[in-house]
Amino acid sequence: NAGVTQTPKFQVLKTGQSMTLQCAQDMNHEYMSWYRQDPGMGLRLIHYSVGAGITDQGEVPNGYNVSRSTTEDFPLRLLSAAPSQTSVYFCASSPPTGNGYTFGSGTRLTVV
Amino acid sequence: AQKITQTQPGMFVQEKEAVTLDCTYDTSDPSYGLFWYKQPSSGEMIFLIYQGSYDQQNATEGRYSLNFQKARKSANLVISASQLGDSAMYFCAMREMDTGFQKLVFGTGTRLLVSP
Repeated sequence: NAGVTQTPKFQVLKTGQSMTLQCAQDMNHEYMSWYRQDPGMGLRLIHYSVGAGITDQGEVPNGYNVSRSTTEDFPLRLLSAAPSQTSVYFCASSPPTGNGYTFGSGTRLTVV
Repeated sequence: AQKITQTQPGMFVQEKEAVTLDCTYDTSDPSYGLFWYKQPSSGEMIFLIYQGSYDQQNATEGRYSLNFQKARKSANLVISASQLGDSAMYFCAMREMDTGFQKLVFGTGTRLLVSP
């Protein structure tokens, strides 16, 4: 019963490097999303997807790309890492309605 | 615009006592859902309890209950008989149901410390 799986759990990048945060869910949820958590600010939405092939921007999309080629996977790409992207990243999946909003365990990213 | 307000940055409670964590929200949407999550020091987001805007009764899940006052737009979390393991950050969040993707909007959280 995996739920939402995020990898890696920890990552250190140098400024300017690129990387992909992986997210996979096995609940057949249509909706997937990425949030970032910064101290004192709660979680903020980066990008989201309402189904395979459909993505859109959230509240803080700059510097990130996403794609959704399958229902299960929703990777988040950092194009050119900046210190301002140091944060904890959470992937989530959910059905279209109700309370079945499931979070992954998070990725702690540090950009130096 | 939707907004969640948690006015208590930190709360202290003694073991076995009850504690209320405050949450107020602002939305013009008649259909919405309210969530509480617990985030322990290990970092994961643990779902605690959910209340739909049309639910007539307050939600309860074991020692957790949600005091939903719709007219006041408040959704306070009540933890009865606090345990040491309840020490964590607690986030209130809202999901509006009427529009396409129903993102969660989070408050800034309340840090709860339970003392022996």
